[in-house]
Amino acid sequence: DAGITQSPRHKVTETGTPVTLRCHQTENHRYMYWYRQDPGHGLRLIHYSYGVKDTDKGEVSDGYSVSRSKTEDFLLTLESATSSQTSVYFCAISEPGDQPQHFGDGTRLSIL
Amino acid sequence: KQEVTQIPAALSVPEGENLVLNCSFTDSAIYNLQWFRQDPGKGLTSLLLIQSSQREQTSGRLNASLDKSSGRSTLYIAASQPGDSATYLCAPGGATNKLIFGTGTLLAVQP
Repeated sequence: DAGITQSPRHKVTETGTPVTLRCHQTENHRYMYWYRQDPGHGLRLIHYSYGVKDTDKGEVSDGYSVSRSKTEDFLLTLESATSSQTSVYFCAISEPGDQPQHFGDGTRLSIL
Repeated sequence: KQEVTQIPAALSVPEGENLVLNCSFTDSAIYNLQWFRQDPGKGLTSLLLIQSSQREQTSGRLNASLDKSSGRSTLYIAASQPGDSATYLCAPGGATNKLIFGTGTLLAVQP
């Protein structure tokens, strides 16, 4: 795949705990994205970054925060996890302009 | 708000058939449109990207068309093979390449 590593790949945690997911890229792409995928809803954009320290909200950003201190890393944090945040989380990268997005293999997160 | 619909939701065909997957979207002010495939338990693989100024794009046995004014795109798969079995997703792209996804078409190609 396009040099995108998501960690962890699987995580089970309890309601109320903080959770951080990491996306690491080796492609030096400027844009990075976090999506969640749920049955019946498809993929929905949580947050995205258009450069180091430049981030913005997506469609379903409530309960999530992000940080990007380096080009290669984009972190997604659930400050206090809830059961409704159980999902599969995907990171994606792209360059500006009419360039395709490339996806990581996903993180399966279960919140009990 | 952009809404994306993919029809059919599921499709089963015998090997060798040509098939068409449909995607419609409500906001025609898009920059481009991408088609992806997703295998079970995996991430998305980009298949084709059509720029808003283009009418179609081809890659091997795949051909995607775009009619931006009517809010429609189709993915044509020629001579389908069992390895084509997957979920196919379309996603119109906006500013900063933000994508809005449909819920996909689950394709099964029977040997």
